[in-house]
Order: sequence, then C-alpha cells, then structure tokens
Amino acid sequence: GAVVSQHPSWVICKSGTSVKIECRSLDFQATTMFWYRQFPKQSLMLMATSNEGSKATYEQGVEKDKFLINHASLTLSTLTVTSAHPEDSSFYICSALPGLNQETQYFGPGTRLLVL
Amino acid sequence: AQTVTQSQPEMSVQEAETVTLSCTYDTSENNYYLFWYKQPPSRQMILVIRQEAYKQQNATENRFSVNFQKAAKSFSLKISDSQRGDTAMYFCAFPAGGTSYGKLTFGQGTILTVHP
Repeated sequence: GAVVSQHPSWVICKSGTSVKIECRSLDFQATTMFWYRQFPKQSLMLMATSNEGSKATYEQGVEKDKFLINHASLTLSTLTVTSAHPEDSSFYICSALPGLNQETQYFGPGTRLLVL
Repeated sequence: AQTVTQSQPEMSVQEAETVTLSCTYDTSENNYYLFWYKQPPSRQMILVIRQEAYKQQNATENRFSVNFQKAAKSFSLKISDSQRGDTAMYFCAFPAGGTSYGKLTFGQGTILTVHP
C-alpha cells in the first residue's frame, strides 16, 4: 500500500514552453502533497505544500507564477513549470501524506526535466 | 527553525559488515517523529525506518536499527550485515509540527557505498 506515482518520469522540452507533472496517490487519499526539487547528489529542497481544494503554500524563494501547483482532488496534484528555461532543469519529486495525523510521507519516483 | 545535520557526506563499507550513519537535529518540540529515507540510484525515495520521540525503545526494521538519544538530539542509523542493495544516499528527516504539519526538513544526505 501507500503507492505514489508520477508522470512523466522524464521530459525534454524547449525553452519557453510549459511542462505539467502529475502526482497521484494510487491506493490512498492524500489531503496534503508536497513538491520537492533535487539536484544531483544533493538533498531534497521543498518547493511547496499542496492541500486539496486550497491554494498551495510556497517556500521562500520559489516563484509561484513559474511553478503552478493545483491539487484538484484527493488523489492528484499537478506541478506546471511555466515558460521553462534551462535553469529549471532538475529532478522533481512529489510526496503525499495519507490523511490527517499521519506523519509518514510516501514519495513518487520523480520526474527528470531537461530544458533545452 | 528546525535543522537536521548529517556530517558524513560519503561512507563506504564491505559487504556483511556494519555501518552507522549519524544525524543530529535541533528542535524545541517534545513529541515528534524522526525518519531515515534511502534513495538508491533509481532515485526513488524509500522509507527505511521511523522513530517516535516519546518511545524510549529504539526502532528496528530487520537489519536496520536506530540509536535515538533524545537529550543529545541524535538519531543515528545502524545497518547490519550490509548488502550491495544498501548502496544509496541516505537522508535523515524531521517533520515540522503545528501549522507546518507534515513538512519534512532533510539532512544533507550521506552517500553509502557497499563494496563486495
């Protein structure tokens, strides 16, 4: 149980285009999902907290207009990288909390984004 | 602010030997959870073990165990009988409470290599 999927697993796009990444909890409902960014051999950096039915909460320094997050249902959150540039190339990981009073986050397999 | 520190950027161990990864943290809270996650070359984050601070007994999951020292704010991970499949980057993580429910603060990570 507690499986989280991400789609796509990798994507290459041209500079200036937008890319949408989906995060789904497959066998549980997630009121809260998180989006992280990770550079090679570095730790995970939290970008935003996504709560179902409400606006995402962004971490300091993360541009909310560039990284649009939508949490439309209890099993789906999406991250859209708008007007992508090469510096947005990174590994993006989502995680989900299976309900209130649940402390353990379950992670998706990640999405590798390369912007040319 | 809560901080998590992993002071060992890289470690290596021979198969079948035991290795200990260190983690220290800083918090003013009294009840909380602590986690160890591993990230193998596939980059999928996998929960290794979790510890509840109010429990005095150290958590154990098969070959993985922790040495939790609450007063010293130390949370080390011991891997016994190391296997090639344990090769991964290991992260210690600490969740924020209160209004930041569920947010994880990660340590810098320790790259563990298990040699044959």
